[in-house]
Amino acid sequence: EDQVTQSPEALRLQEGESSSLNCSYTVSGLRGLFWYRQDPGKGPEFLFTLYSAGEEKEKERLKATLTKKESFLHITAPKPEDSATYLCVALLNTGNQFYFGTGTSLTVIP
Amino acid sequence: DSGVTQTPKHLITATGQRVTLRCSPRSGDLSVYWYQQSLDQGLQFLIQYYNGEERAKGNILERFSAQQFPDLHSELNLSSLELGDSALYFCASSVAPVTEAFFGQGTRLTVV
Repeated sequence: EDQVTQSPEALRLQEGESSSLNCSYTVSGLRGLFWYRQDPGKGPEFLFTLYSAGEEKEKERLKATLTKKESFLHITAPKPEDSATYLCVALLNTGNQFYFGTGTSLTVIP
Repeated sequence: DSGVTQTPKHLITATGQRVTLRCSPRSGDLSVYWYQQSLDQGLQFLIQYYNGEERAKGNILERFSAQQFPDLHSELNLSSLELGDSALYFCASSVAPVTEAFFGQGTRLTVV
């Protein structure tokens, strides 16, 4: 069964304490994997697209990586403003099947 | 600002009524998606359009319908509203079905 699983569900970090969020996927024919950030009551904000295993993308304190079975979102020296829910989305080759993870709620404590 | 515009931002209506939510995609984007997000729930995919044609359908109720117009804006129609339809409704757009989508800020629908 095609699915995307994110872990942990919730993560509390001290400011400056680096960590990683995991997105494990079991889909047939992955076209691309997307990472989004969502603040409460707001629309998801696009962060990264990864298309092939071994690919890495970076933006400020965030770095996304992709393997054949999972993706990681590494957060280096997080700040309180990084607090949000991070969503992982798998897109199939058909281009019309999206699988959303349930998200990781990140809280960064000053 | 993602470039995707949704109106209205807030909508309060009574059970049994019908409402229309509007979405203007980013300039140049041909694909439009609609999602529903209930309180503290994940995003539920409703429907996708590409260049005016329906491309994919998710868990969209029969009471809901959508369309994409020639100018590429899209409308989501919700009818015979129930209390459980209260949610945030997001529109997203992308250049093509296989590229990243950009989300609007949503319409918060409250059914009373």
